[in-house]
Amino acid sequence: KAGVTQTPRYLIKTRGQQVTLSCSPISGHRSVSWYQQTPGQGLQFLFEYFSETQRNKGNFPGRFSGRQFSNSRSEMNVSTLELGDSALYLCASSLLGFTGGLAEAFFGQGTRLTVV
Amino acid sequence: DAKTTQPTSMDCAEGRAANLPCNHSTISGNEYVYWYRQIHSQGPQYIIHGLKNNETNEMASLIITEDRKSSTLILPHATLRDTAVYYCIVRGNSGYALNFGKGTSLLVTP
Repeated sequence: KAGVTQTPRYLIKTRGQQVTLSCSPISGHRSVSWYQQTPGQGLQFLFEYFSETQRNKGNFPGRFSGRQFSNSRSEMNVSTLELGDSALYLCASSLLGFTGGLAEAFFGQGTRLTVV
Repeated sequence: DAKTTQPTSMDCAEGRAANLPCNHSTISGNEYVYWYRQIHSQGPQYIIHGLKNNETNEMASLIITEDRKSSTLILPHATLRDTAVYYCIVRGNSGYALNFGKGTSLLVTP
């Protein structure tokens, strides 16, 4: 079956702009999580969506937001971009998510965002 | 979730077994040990997980000590494509995210 698809793969934006990243999970998976990866901080949890509801959120400013659609596809948005937002943004799909249970997560290839 | 400690880097010759250790001395009874890996510029890949029994799948084996304070991921016949950062993660049912930490950078050499 098809894996997790993230678009676009690469993106270059200017400081102050906003950006929207997209993630299509594995068919049948209802949970989508987002992670930010930078060389200095490693992989950090942004938020998780399950059945169109944000279930958990990491320690990121309000400029980072997301949503999930009825078909489980998810988008994340970063407004007022800063140089420090340059990172690899990864989406993970799982059947039920982690809250209250166990599930292995399947990651996409990520979107490489560069802010100049 | 319990904290894990892994060596920063390891080398392994191609065709040999790669044994990656992980210490998790504060693990509690309901916490599982997960292993993921990340090949350069790709998303992390799930490898295996276990609670207290040893586990094996087509990718690797997971050996958990009887006191559950440490574990070892074994790649039985390492190939060059196994060169990656390997993350040992301990989490229980109440967690909602994966805490990846720094991981072990494994280099498989010809």
